[in-house]
Formats: sequence, structure tokens, C-alpha cells
Amino acid sequence: EIVLTQSPGTLSLSPGERATLSCRASQSVSSTYLAWYQQKPGQAPSLLIHGASIRATGIPDRFSGSGSGTDFTLTISRLEPEDFAVYYCQQYGRSLTWTFGQGTKVEIK
Amino acid sequence: QVQLVQSGAEVKKPGASVKVSCKASGYTFTTFYIHWVRQAPGQGLEWMGIINPSGGSTSYAQKFQGRVTMTRDTSTTTVYMQLNSLASEDTAMYYCGRGLIVADIWGQGTMVTVSS
Repeated sequence: EIVLTQSPGTLSLSPGERATLSCRASQSVSSTYLAWYQQKPGQAPSLLIHGASIRATGIPDRFSGSGSGTDFTLTISRLEPEDFAVYYCQQYGRSLTWTFGQGTKVEIK
Repeated sequence: QVQLVQSGAEVKKPGASVKVSCKASGYTFTTFYIHWVRQAPGQGLEWMGIINPSGGSTSYAQKFQGRVTMTRDTSTTTVYMQLNSLASEDTAMYYCGRGLIVADIWGQGTMVTVSS
């Protein structure tokens, strides 16, 4: 089973700053099967990025994903007030399974 | 519009079972898999399993094998997740999500509280 480890656990930044979130896999993951979600308090997760770097419909271009193999990154170029949330990476694996990272909270500094 | 609407909050006693529903609308029900994911209070997302609404085939996380059953009713475009032998550790928000590799649409969540 592939384990996804996200870092840091919490990122304290100010609006307008750049956020860089990491997701490291215990084994190589196909980029096709790596996604990022955003979750705000009291809400369901929402899809941000799929295929490691493809923005989901309606996602602004300040969000970008990159990486391959075991190292993936979500970058928010300039934080807007609505971007402060928890972010999860997710991997689609064998036998139709999913695995999530433990999440990174982006909080206002 | 495309949406998944889940059933309301549940309070159960330890040892009981819960059945949560997820009603799909706005798209062809049988063309998208449905995943179930749960989130304990203050914790991260935990994958439980997946169902193919077309044929009803399922795949469950090893942790829940033998305790979870996912079914579907094509006549009402509804997917169900039943979890048996509930314990306090099962207190969580339960979400359904549409898709196979990723979920692009999510239900609003169903809070299940297990308490004596």
C-alpha cells in the first residue's frame, strides 16, 4: 500500500504570499493518478488538481500542481483570503483504491 | 445540476448499524463510480470503498472489510453505505464522491455519532 506524506503539517502565511505544499509517496505514483483537494471548515472536499498538474474546472490559475514519481507539489502563487483551508493529496491505486495524505493546513499568519 | 445529496445525521449506540444514502441527480447514474470517504472530528480523510453503480461491484478498504457494505438502487439513482458493529471510533462525517480516479462532485456529508 502506498503511503502519502504531506509537509508541512501547517503553513502560516499572509495573503499575497506564495504557498508551497509537498506530497511525498512511499512508492512511485503515476502522475495520472495524483490529485489535490481543498477542504474548508464545515464543507466537503473539492477537487483542485488532477493528473498532478491539471486544474479542475473553475479553479483559478494561481493554483498549480507539479511533480512526478514520488514527489509532488501544490503551489498557490498568491494567497487570497479564501485560500486558507486544508489541502489533501490523493492517489488512485490498484484495485480501485484511494489513499489520502494527512493534509496540510494553510492558516493566516 | 449535477449533485449528490446525502441522508441526514444519525445517532447510534455502540454495536448498532448505520445505513447512509447518497442520491445522485443531473447525470447518468450508471456512468460514474461512487467512493465513500469518512472524516473523524478534527482528523483527515479516510477512504472506505467504492461501488460501480452500473453492475454493483465493490471494493473496500481492508480496514472495513467484513463490516461495510455498499449497494445501489438504479431505480432511485441512490447509493448506500452500511457500516455494522459501530464503535465510538466510527463517529465521523461520511461523504460520497463521484468518480473513479478523482471525485469531482461530493455529497454534503452525513454526520454519524456513536454514543451510548
